[in-house]
Amino acid sequence: QQQVKQSPQSLIVQKGGISIINCAYENTAFDYFPWYQQFPGKGPALLIAIRPDVSEKKEGRFTISFNKSAKQFSLHIMDSQPGDSATYFCAASRVDDKIIFGKGTRLHILP
Amino acid sequence: NAGVTQTPKFQVLKTGQSMTLQCAQDMNHEYMSWYRQDPGMGLRLIHYSVGAGITDQGEVPNGYNVSRSTTEDFPLRLLSAAPSQTSVYFCASSWGSYRTEAFFGQGTRLTVV
Repeated sequence: QQQVKQSPQSLIVQKGGISIINCAYENTAFDYFPWYQQFPGKGPALLIAIRPDVSEKKEGRFTISFNKSAKQFSLHIMDSQPGDSATYFCAASRVDDKIIFGKGTRLHILP
Repeated sequence: NAGVTQTPKFQVLKTGQSMTLQCAQDMNHEYMSWYRQDPGMGLRLIHYSVGAGITDQGEVPNGYNVSRSTTEDFPLRLLSAAPSQTSVYFCASSWGSYRTEAFFGQGTRLTVV
């Protein structure tokens, strides 16, 4: 069974702090690793994605770190803001196969 | 562009009833999927389609049927609703492959009593 394991389930961070969410995968054939952000009552939306030929990708305050040998990747949110409070899903997929999602992390940023 | 449109937004069913959740996209995407979201379970794939006339089962297909007669529409049918199907359902579409951005609808919150 292909799996993507995400941790923690929930996370509370002070405003201005760094939020870190981790994911691990099993299938070395995965070659696309997106992160989705979901606000209450809305569908998930793509936040940032990385392919395994790079070890890091940064978009504004959001950074994906990718460790191919450890089969792990993580999302870092710098200078976390109350507006970042949402559920975050990591995911993985490979060519011509469906996306596998992690179970999600509920992030709450304290004002 | 409307993106991915799901109807209805909310629905209450009695056990044993059947219904169809509608999903339509106007982006000419080949790939469409149905997920259910339950607390602590993340997004679980029910059925998916890689193009008109082609469908396949995902992780949790039992109790659900799909068809894909056009590129735009991908309805999900509940054959005989059960309380275990109480969930939030999301339809998603993407262009070309699963290694591109998936666009999700707003979801349908279904309660089976």
